Amino acid sequence: DGGITQSPKYLFRKEGQNVTLSCEQNLNHDAMYWYRQDPGQGLRLIYYSQIVNDFQKGDIAEGYSVSREKKESFPLTVTSAQKNPTAFYLCASSTSGFAEAFFGQGTRLTVV
Amino acid sequence: QQQVKQSPQSLIVQKGGISIINCAYENTAFDYFPWYQQFPGKGPALLIAIRPDVSEKKEGRFTISFNKSAKQFSLHIMDSQPGDSATYFCAASMGSGNNAGNMLTFGGGTRLMVKP
Repeated sequence: DGGITQSPKYLFRKEGQNVTLSCEQNLNHDAMYWYRQDPGQGLRLIYYSQIVNDFQKGDIAEGYSVSREKKESFPLTVTSAQKNPTAFYLCASSTSGFAEAFFGQGTRLTVV
Repeated sequence: QQQVKQSPQSLIVQKGGISIINCAYENTAFDYFPWYQQFPGKGPALLIAIRPDVSEKKEGRFTISFNKSAKQFSLHIMDSQPGDSATYFCAASMGSGNNAGNMLTFGGGTRLMVKP
């Protein structure tokens, strides 16, 4: 089945630790995105990538980093510089033009 | 700043009623307006989408109405069912042209509860 796989589903981070969230897609999409969702809030764009080896900051990139070494993969690292990382993180991908964005099932990150 | 404003934040409707969610946008370059449905603990999924060359699009019980001059669009859910209870997000993007991506700007979401 084609789709987007995010792992893990739940992640716990201690203060001061970096953690990496995985996002893999087998839809052959060029573009991939990371969004953050806080309770009762909308989706805010963290980073996006339109092509391999290139990515751009979104609205709330501070404290996050990404890489795009393969078309299928777009991992997100939440660094210790992100002061309030507890949130639901969503990865998405799309083709160009009037294209549907497909979302993964999300990773819920909690700082303990 | 590109914004999409969505209202209401929450909505309670009786089974069989009509649910109406509204969105307004600022950027006249937006040309693709999707609605996403999200169940708790899941990722959003595309429900229905419209382009500005039409004023209305209907798919089953779901209808998008689009008013280009007012820069507003809305989602109507007819005969609302308890299974429709979810969070709904409107979004907008500049989906045309040669952009390799389709970067969406989302509204704040509406939490819909349909009472049996």
